[in-house]
Amino acid sequence: QKEVEQDPGPLSVPEGAIVSLNCTYSNSAFQYFMWYRQYSRKGPELLMYTYSSGNKEDGRFTAQVDKSSKYISLFIRDSQPSDSATYLCAMSDRSSWQAGTALIFGKGTTLSVSS
Amino acid sequence: KAGVTQTPRYLIKTRGQQVTLSCSPISGHRSVSWYQQTPGQGLQFLFEYFSETQRNKGNFPGRFSGRQFSNSRSEMNVSTLELGDSALYLCASSALGQSGEQYFGPGTRLTVT
Repeated sequence: QKEVEQDPGPLSVPEGAIVSLNCTYSNSAFQYFMWYRQYSRKGPELLMYTYSSGNKEDGRFTAQVDKSSKYISLFIRDSQPSDSATYLCAMSDRSSWQAGTALIFGKGTTLSVSS
Repeated sequence: KAGVTQTPRYLIKTRGQQVTLSCSPISGHRSVSWYQQTPGQGLQFLFEYFSETQRNKGNFPGRFSGRQFSNSRSEMNVSTLELGDSALYLCASSALGQSGEQYFGPGTRLTVT
C-alpha cells in the first residue's frame, strides 16, 4: 500500500461547479497536509497547508483533514477555467516538517473546468 | 521576492552522458530539496541540502548526486544517463525555522535519447 493515494482523474466539471479533490494516507504520523496546484509545464504552487485535523479556508478554497479516517480533501467553490490544473496533495510528519525535508506526494488529480 | 529559479529549463542528452542541473532558492531560504517527477511515479524525493550538507536522501541510485554552495544555490548531477531518467526535475526551497512550506521552481525537463 502506498503511503498516499490520490485518484488521478481526470475530473471534468462545468464552470461554477463545486469540486472535491481527495487523498487518503496510511501513515498516522503525518500531521502536516498540503495542497499544491501544478499547471502544465510549470512547477507545483503551494495552495494551502493545514496542521492536524480541521478545516482551513482561503477564498474559494477549503482544505479539510480527517485524521481519524486518514483522509484529506480540497474543495473549490465556483470553479473557473483557470482552475484547470493538476492538484497534488502532500504530507509530512512533525520531524520532517520542522526540518523542511521530504514531503510525500500523491500522484495528483487532473482537473478540467469547462466554460 | 524572486521565486525559485532553475536552469536550464529544457535539456536533451544521450544515454551514457552526464548532466548538471542548477537551482537558486528564494532569498533567505537555506534548505533545498530535489524531486523527480514522471507520469508513472509522480513526484519522488531525491535529496535535501541544508548549509551545504545533505541531510536526507531518497531511494535513488548513486548516479544521482548533488551539492549545495555557501550561498544556498544547489546543483544536482546525474551520471551515466539512462532512458528512464527522462523526467521533470524540480527544486524546492524552504525557510528552516519558520515552517516546512516548500516552494518549487519551474523545473528542468530532461529528455534522454
